[in-house]
Amino acid sequence: EVQLVVSGGGLIQPGGSLRLSCAASGFSVSSTYMNWVRQTPGKGLEWVSVIYRGGSTYYADSVKGRFTFSRDSSKNTLYLQMNTLRAEDTAVYYCTKAWDYWGQGILVTVSS
Amino acid sequence: IVMTQTPLSLSVTPGQPASISCKSSQSLLHSDEKTYLYWYLQKPGQPPQLLIYEVSHRFSGVPDRFSGSESGTNFTLKISRVEAEDVGTYYCMQSIQLPLTFGGGTKVEIK
Repeated sequence: EVQLVVSGGGLIQPGGSLRLSCAASGFSVSSTYMNWVRQTPGKGLEWVSVIYRGGSTYYADSVKGRFTFSRDSSKNTLYLQMNTLRAEDTAVYYCTKAWDYWGQGILVTVSS
Repeated sequence: IVMTQTPLSLSVTPGQPASISCKSSQSLLHSDEKTYLYWYLQKPGQPPQLLIYEVSHRFSGVPDRFSGSESGTNFTLKISRVEAEDVGTYYCMQSIQLPLTFGGGTKVEIK
């Protein structure tokens, strides 16, 4: 059974850093592409980043240069390192296996 | 690519059909002859769940009352007979081009 468990969210001050983790089970994270997607009441669903099987990564313009998507195949876990956080990064963050399975989501709140 | 969904909301009597539209600003047809349009349902308090992939293919476990179709850059999700468990917000999404983009959502409620 595919499971994606996201952790690492919380309240952080503007300019701060946070690292989200997405622990996968039921498949290998290096066998497919994986995404981070975020959701806010105002902007709806927004794609954030993708990591392909070969390891290449791409980012939405809104996070480029600030967020880094990585994976640890030995732990079957993905990471989203988020730096220089802004109020507009406040959202529920989901990791997804390709486009078929989504983790439960975790709230990141950027506020002073 | 801009994905425009209509209507914003829908109130449906159980057992009646429902239809949601999604229009893409560009073709979603890839050179591999697949069209990368997906439909999701997000039930309250849950992550989105995949209903339909590549326009018309139902995902594993999705009831056959859900169907998807296309006409050029216009896509439609149909529910043949709405049930109480179908309430939530429906989203379309394209994955042919980065950045991947979603429609604004259609909230479906039961009358």
